[in-house]
Amino acid sequence: GQSLEQPSEVTAVEGAIVQINCTYQTSGFYGLSWYQQHDGGAPTFLSYNALDGLEETGRFSSFLSRSDSYGYLLLQELQMKDSASYFCAVRARSNTGKLIFGQGTTLQVKP
Amino acid sequence: GAVVSQHPSWVICKSGTSVKIECRSLDFQATTMFWYRQFPKQSLMLMATSNEGSKATYEQGVEKDKFLINHASLTLSTLTVTSAHPEDSSFYICSARDTGSTDTQYFGPGTRLTVL
Repeated sequence: GQSLEQPSEVTAVEGAIVQINCTYQTSGFYGLSWYQQHDGGAPTFLSYNALDGLEETGRFSSFLSRSDSYGYLLLQELQMKDSASYFCAVRARSNTGKLIFGQGTTLQVKP
Repeated sequence: GAVVSQHPSWVICKSGTSVKIECRSLDFQATTMFWYRQFPKQSLMLMATSNEGSKATYEQGVEKDKFLINHASLTLSTLTVTSAHPEDSSFYICSARDTGSTDTQYFGPGTRLTVL
């Protein structure tokens, strides 16, 4: 089976940088994705890492180390609108591309 | 990114009735769609994988006779909650897999089900 661990809550101030870590245990691994979800809304795709290294998309970056079964999401120049839940998700090594989600990290950005 | 729609966005029903939720991929074809359930302040729990033209694959502990899934076309999957009870009240979210260059799942806006 698969399991993912990420912190339950993180608090930061506007303009700061925050890193949300994700460690995983999996019998098969095809990549790590990150999703953002605002209260009452649907998850929005942020990034995907299949290979080791850093992927940058604007203010958000995601990193993966397969040897350490570890990844993180880095959010820079935090804005109030970044307050949301962030989920890491492992893609199962299957033809369907099934995702298994972590429990989510609630990020609160303060003025 | 690609667009996935869900209908209805919310529904209130009486205990014992059945409710159908539709999930559509609007600008791409999806041979695979997924159905999730999310309780307040919790993560997304995968219920089943919906495969176009074949039977759905259910996760362990999900009753296939209670949560009927039909994936009749490359752009539409439906989830029917049969004989709904209050404990079925939840946020149901679908996603569609776009097997294009990024092979990404895109989520619908979700359906809030309340069973009285």
